[in-house]
Amino acid sequence: AQSVAQPEDQVNVAEGNPLTVKCTYSVSGNPYLFWYVQYPNRGLQFLLKYITGDNLVKGSYGFEAEFNKSQTSFHLKKPSALVSDSALYFCAVRDQTGANNLFFGTGTRLTVIP
Amino acid sequence: EADIYQTPRYLVIGTGKKITLECSQTMGHDKMYWYQQDPGMELHLIHYSYGVNSTEKGDLSSESTVSRIRTEHFPLTLESARPSHTSQYLCASRDRGRTEAFFGQGTRLTVV
Repeated sequence: AQSVAQPEDQVNVAEGNPLTVKCTYSVSGNPYLFWYVQYPNRGLQFLLKYITGDNLVKGSYGFEAEFNKSQTSFHLKKPSALVSDSALYFCAVRDQTGANNLFFGTGTRLTVIP
Repeated sequence: EADIYQTPRYLVIGTGKKITLECSQTMGHDKMYWYQQDPGMELHLIHYSYGVNSTEKGDLSSESTVSRIRTEHFPLTLESARPSHTSQYLCASRDRGRTEAFFGQGTRLTVV
């Protein structure tokens, strides 16, 4: 069975500092990994994905994520945090069976402090 | 920006009422999903559909039902709402040629 874990419920970072939101995964075979962001009272917005290829994936709003197969991790990063980045962030992995559904982590609330 | 719409955005309803949450997408996506989001943030898949006349139950057991009579429409129905159904419900869709899903803005349901 596949799963993702987000070990931090809450991450606080000062504006202008680099940010990292952590995600580890467990799958059999090659993982399809995703990051989504949720702003208050909104649905989820797709940020980026890793399917194959370069381990560093670039996405929307200046975010990027690094796929690390040996550590089974897919951490979300941004070089310089903005107050407007404050939101809920979800890591997800795609089902490896025919259904191809997405399984989400428990979410990490990012707060960027001015 | 994805074209997937959920109505209503907010709903407060009494126990025992029948409700239908609407979800429509204009992208012609085959696959559609319903997720239930706890107040503590976690997302659980409750229903999905491969296409017209296809509906499947997700990982979290739910008393709700869904239908898929048209590609663009995937409504969720609760025959008799209870306070335990209070949650946020998120609809999503995915094109068969893409790996990522697109989400609607959600319906926040409160049953009193």
